[in-house]
Amino acid sequence: DTGVSQNPRHKITKRGQNVTFRCDPISEHNRLYWYRQTLGQGPEFLTYFQNEAQLEKSRLLSDRFSAERPKGSFSTLEIQRTEQGDSAMYLCASSFTLRGTIYFGEGSWLTVV
Amino acid sequence: QKEVEQDPGPLSVPEGAIVSLNCTYSNSAFQYFMWYRQYSRKGPELLMYTYSSGNKEDGRFTAQVDKSSKYISLFIRDSQPSDSATYLCAMNSGGSNYKLTFGKGTLLTVNP
Repeated sequence: DTGVSQNPRHKITKRGQNVTFRCDPISEHNRLYWYRQTLGQGPEFLTYFQNEAQLEKSRLLSDRFSAERPKGSFSTLEIQRTEQGDSAMYLCASSFTLRGTIYFGEGSWLTVV
Repeated sequence: QKEVEQDPGPLSVPEGAIVSLNCTYSNSAFQYFMWYRQYSRKGPELLMYTYSSGNKEDGRFTAQVDKSSKYISLFIRDSQPSDSATYLCAMNSGGSNYKLTFGKGTLLTVNP
């Protein structure tokens, strides 16, 4: 068990391009979360999966954002038509139960130029 | 008013000092309280997890929760340069509310 794994760790993209981030949660964890963190701020909730079902999406997740978790294992977060305001660290986290402790990955840094 | 308030610092202390980090919150439904440590350009690492009011100790770290005052603290004893990081408080109400609400984080520097 190596914890929550995210890749790529860093991505620089031109405005208007699409990017995709992948998250592999801790193996026995069936709950998976995506958060976004900008400089000087705490992480903000984006979306939540229980197994393969996406149960909640924050209003922060515009229609350019889509997240999937096929087969309830790894998850992907895709951002279409990136904008400079999308520049942030995208954090994936997982937990075993709703009351369980939530463990974060190392994050994927996105820079939109 | 934000749901969770945390002084961003920066806070600078000499090695060996006792560090006190604090957060206040407004949502009385919060019952689960966490402290995460985040090194520069890394993900948050869970340090302490507390349910409801009271104290919890783990090595050099002590977490305190005072629900009556809506105030939580993290104390670090015998601080080390390796403790230099941003400390984030986070909380949720549990049950079906799984979303963590974070403070902005406090940047701590421990000087050798």
